[in-house]
Parts: sequence; C-alpha cells; structure tokens
Amino acid sequence: GESVGLHLPTLSVQEGDNSIINCAYSNSASDYFIWYKQESGKGPQFIIDIRSNMDKRQGQRVTVLLNKTVKHLSLQIAATQPGDSAVYFCAERRSDTNAGKSTFGDGTTLTVKP
Amino acid sequence: EPEVTQTPSHQVTQMGQEVILRCVPISNHLYFYWYRQILGQKVEFLVSFYNNEISEKSEIFDDQFSVERPDGSNFTLKIRSTKLEDSAMYFCASSGRGTGELFFGEGSRLTVL
Repeated sequence: GESVGLHLPTLSVQEGDNSIINCAYSNSASDYFIWYKQESGKGPQFIIDIRSNMDKRQGQRVTVLLNKTVKHLSLQIAATQPGDSAVYFCAERRSDTNAGKSTFGDGTTLTVKP
Repeated sequence: EPEVTQTPSHQVTQMGQEVILRCVPISNHLYFYWYRQILGQKVEFLVSFYNNEISEKSEIFDDQFSVERPDGSNFTLKIRSTKLEDSAMYFCASSGRGTGELFFGEGSRLTVL
C-alpha cells in the first residue's frame, strides 16, 4: 500500500540556521506532495505543495524539493525562527481526489533553540 | 481570515455512548473532510464529503461512523457507539474548488472512558 514517512522524528536547530526536513514516499501515483505544520494544540496548517512534475518550488522562506528518482521530498526553511518550532508532516494526494484524501507521514518535531 | 471552527474542543464520554462532533467549514468551500490523530501519531484520513454525499472513506470509517451536512453551514461526525480506541483528536477540514489545500480546524479531543 501507499505510505509516506519521514527520516527523522526530531530535529533541533539554532535560531537563524537553515532547517531541512526530509520525507520518503512510496506511491508513484501521487500527483501532489504537501507540507503541513502543526503547532501544539492546533490543527495542521498548509505550508506549501509541489506538483509531481516539478522538482522545486519556493515560498516565503520555504523551499520544497522533490526527487522522484529516489522518491524523496524535503522542506527547507531558511533562517529558522522560534515560531517555526512545530511538528512538520509531509503528505501526498492524487489530483483526481480533490474531494478525497491526503495521506500523511509520521511527522518531524522541529525545535528551534534561541 | 476565514477559518474552520469545531465544537466541542474536548468531550469525555463513556464507552458505548453516541458522540456528535460539529464543524463549520469555510463558507465558500465545497469539499469537507474528517481526519483523526491519536496522541503522538500521524494524521489519518477518515472521510471526505462533496455534493451532499461521501466521496471517499477509509477503513477506519466503519458502520459506527456517519457524517451529515444538516444545513448550509454545519458538517457533523457521529460515532454511534464509542470504543476506547476512538479516543483521539478529530480534525475537520475543508477545501475549495481547484485546490488541494486543506484548511483544518483546531480539533475536537475525544476521550472515551
């Protein structure tokens, strides 16, 4: 079956450094890959997504890289701030399921040290 | 900024009791979802709802679960006879046409004793 997973359950970085959070997936039929941020006691919040025919997409302070050859997805956060401390989930979905599901990975807890 | 709202924020119930979790999705969204998250684990898809019917559901969403959109604003999840393993955070989400971006509510924590 399909699965989405992350390489490391926790990541600790110094404020101002760049963070890289990684994710491996198994479903080659996925059309979109998405990163969500979940702060303590809150619901997941959409950060950025990337279509499967792209290999890089940039947002505000975030970059998502997609390597379909090795089925690897990463989220890069530039100049990490204390407010970036949260659990980060990668997820995937198919474009024919807009009225359908996203499959989430296990989550990486990012801790930003001041 | 529009947001998804959920009530109650926390519900404690006895095993075997019925529970209804309520959600008000973002007003112009067309797709509605329920997800759940057992403490410390990943977010799991339960069901999606579009055009007044279920469009997809997971294996978790068995006969004990049902969803309803009773009016133009509310979207509910009912668990008919709760089990201990139903204890989790339940998230409602919605999305608009042409985008897969999910907007999540803050969740309803269900504790089954």
